[in-house]
Amino acid sequence: AQSVTQLGSHVSVSEGALVLLRCNYSSSVPPYLFWYVQYPNQGLQLLLKYTTGATLVKGINGFEAEFKKSETSFHLTKPSAHMSDAAEYFCAAKTSYDKVIFGPGTSLSVIP
Amino acid sequence: EAGVAQSPRYKIIEKRQSVAFWCNPISGHATLYWYQQILGQGPKLLIQFQNNGVVDDSQLPKDRFSAERLKGVDSTLKIQPAKLEDSAVYLCASSLDRVKDTEAFFGQGTRLTVV
Repeated sequence: AQSVTQLGSHVSVSEGALVLLRCNYSSSVPPYLFWYVQYPNQGLQLLLKYTTGATLVKGINGFEAEFKKSETSFHLTKPSAHMSDAAEYFCAAKTSYDKVIFGPGTSLSVIP
Repeated sequence: EAGVAQSPRYKIIEKRQSVAFWCNPISGHATLYWYQQILGQGPKLLIQFQNNGVVDDSQLPKDRFSAERLKGVDSTLKIQPAKLEDSAVYLCASSLDRVKDTEAFFGQGTRLTVV
């Protein structure tokens, strides 16, 4: 069965520091991959997605992610954290039947 | 374009009562999802519709949960009777096409508290 794991339920970084949020998926067939952000009392907003083609994907708010098939990973990065980046981040995978499954999430705190 | 609309935003009920949530997806989106998000966890898929047909309801507790999507547009999710462990945010999402690499668009969710 397809699954998505996110290492680290909580990550803290200083403002201006590198953000790295980890995501791994289990699948014999690389799925479509997504990163979503969720602010308190809000729904999920798409940050970026990988479908086919270029493995380095750029998204909104300066985030990017790299798909590495050999590592079954899709880690999210941002060179310089901003206070407004504090939120919950979810990695998700979409299977061939359009089923979208989510990882458990990583809560990002940004320290001034 | 208008986003996914959900109502109500908040609901408090006593255990054993019933409750219903409503979702209006983005116009033209064939696929509709209902997710349950318990505090501190990722969203869990409850049911997935393609137009008005069910594609996946393997994680829907069918003894108490039901969902329908009449005419392939709006959808309602019902819980009867509710349990304390049903306290969660219920998210509705829709996507454009079943076979394309499109993302799911989410509504703001309904926060259910069962007391």
